[in-house]
Amino acid sequence: ELKVEQNPLFLSMQEGKNYTIYCNYSTTSDRLYWYRQDPGKSLESLFVLLSNGAVKQEGRLMASLDTKARLSTLHITAAVHDLSATYFCAANAMDSNYQLIWGAGTKLIIKP
Amino acid sequence: NAGVTQTPKFQVLKTGQSMTLQCAQDMNHEYMSWYRQDPGMGLRLIHYSVGAGITDQGEVPNGYNVSRSTTEDFPLRLLSAAPSQTSVYFCASRPRLGSPLHFGNGTRLTVT
Repeated sequence: ELKVEQNPLFLSMQEGKNYTIYCNYSTTSDRLYWYRQDPGKSLESLFVLLSNGAVKQEGRLMASLDTKARLSTLHITAAVHDLSATYFCAANAMDSNYQLIWGAGTKLIIKP
Repeated sequence: NAGVTQTPKFQVLKTGQSMTLQCAQDMNHEYMSWYRQDPGMGLRLIHYSVGAGITDQGEVPNGYNVSRSTTEDFPLRLLSAAPSQTSVYFCASRPRLGSPLHFGNGTRLTVT
């Protein structure tokens, strides 16, 4: 059974700093997703990672995937206040009709 | 292009009442799903559908029913509301397995 763990669950940081959110998954999955959720809002897709070594970047966010380690990372470079949100990772459960299994989310607060 | 539309946005029920949460999408997506979001637990799949006339259970289906008579609509029925069903409910769709999910704006449900 696929399980997805994120850490940290809460992160408070200063503007201009770099940090990384980690997403571990327990069994083989063919793709890994990252989403963003602002308080009281819906979820927005950020990245889909398909293969080992995949790296995708959008602005100050960069996501990578290591399928051998079953690990994905979301790296934030020179954080700005607008990136404050909750970030979720999710993996495809290949043995369960490709349903998404979600991490608990990382609440990121970036202080000016 | 409206995307995924959920109604209502807020609802308060008394224990034992029934109601239907509406979800409609105008993107001609085959796959639709319902999630509940509870603090610290990520998203948990309730029911999903891979096309009109086809539905299946997710991780937490008890107490909920769904039907998919058209591609566009995927209502979620609460049969007899319980306080444990207090949550935020999201409907999501995607064109095919593996694509990112498109989420509605959510329904905040409180059961007293």
